[in-house]
Amino acid sequence: QLQLQESGPGLVKASETLSLTCTVSGDSISSSSYYWGWIRQPPGKGLEWIGSIHYSGSTYYNPSLKSRLTISVDTSKNQFSLKLSSVTAADTAIYYCARIGMIVVVIGYWGQGTLVTVSS
Amino acid sequence: EIVLTQSPATLSLSPGERATLSCRASQSVSTYLAWYQQIPGQAPRLLIYDASYRATGIPARFSGSGSGTDFTLTISSLEPEDFAVYYCQQRSNWPALTFGGGTKVEIK
Repeated sequence: QLQLQESGPGLVKASETLSLTCTVSGDSISSSSYYWGWIRQPPGKGLEWIGSIHYSGSTYYNPSLKSRLTISVDTSKNQFSLKLSSVTAADTAIYYCARIGMIVVVIGYWGQGTLVTVSS
Repeated sequence: EIVLTQSPATLSLSPGERATLSCRASQSVSTYLAWYQQIPGQAPRLLIYDASYRATGIPARFSGSGSGTDFTLTISSLEPEDFAVYYCQQRSNWPALTFGGGTKVEIK
């Protein structure tokens, strides 16, 4: 059964870089049929797509975050990662990693989410 | 950027009642619209994709309809576990994905 697990610091200082890793089990991240992505949700608010990556390395970023964002994949570890630089309080959110279908581009599997708080 | 507007923001209903949720797109997304359910403290769950197709394991009381700019999620008879927040999501301009602001279905 597919499982996705986010990991990384729960507290990041303003102006620093937020780094998270998603470990995938039960499926190969090298599957050509899927993208792997990140979605976030500020406390009490709605969902925002951050960006996605294919195992080939092709990346797709939310234009509003693109200048601060890097998503990468490590097929040897079956992991993909998120780095968001120059964070502010507005980046405080639950961060979810997810598997996204390539043919029908929907989010079929989600991690449980991890809360990242940006402190001043 | 395609903006999705969901209405109402909150829907107060009793178990057994019918729920009708709306999602309107700022421009046509064809039928490239999905619906998700989020129970507090949990990750969202895919309910409907391509406007009207139920995802695996989703009960038949959930149905979706619409095309172009206007979409509806209907829950035919609310069960206690259906009280949650529902989001629509479009993929028309992939590689960008956008979500609506959500509709909370609460117990009246």
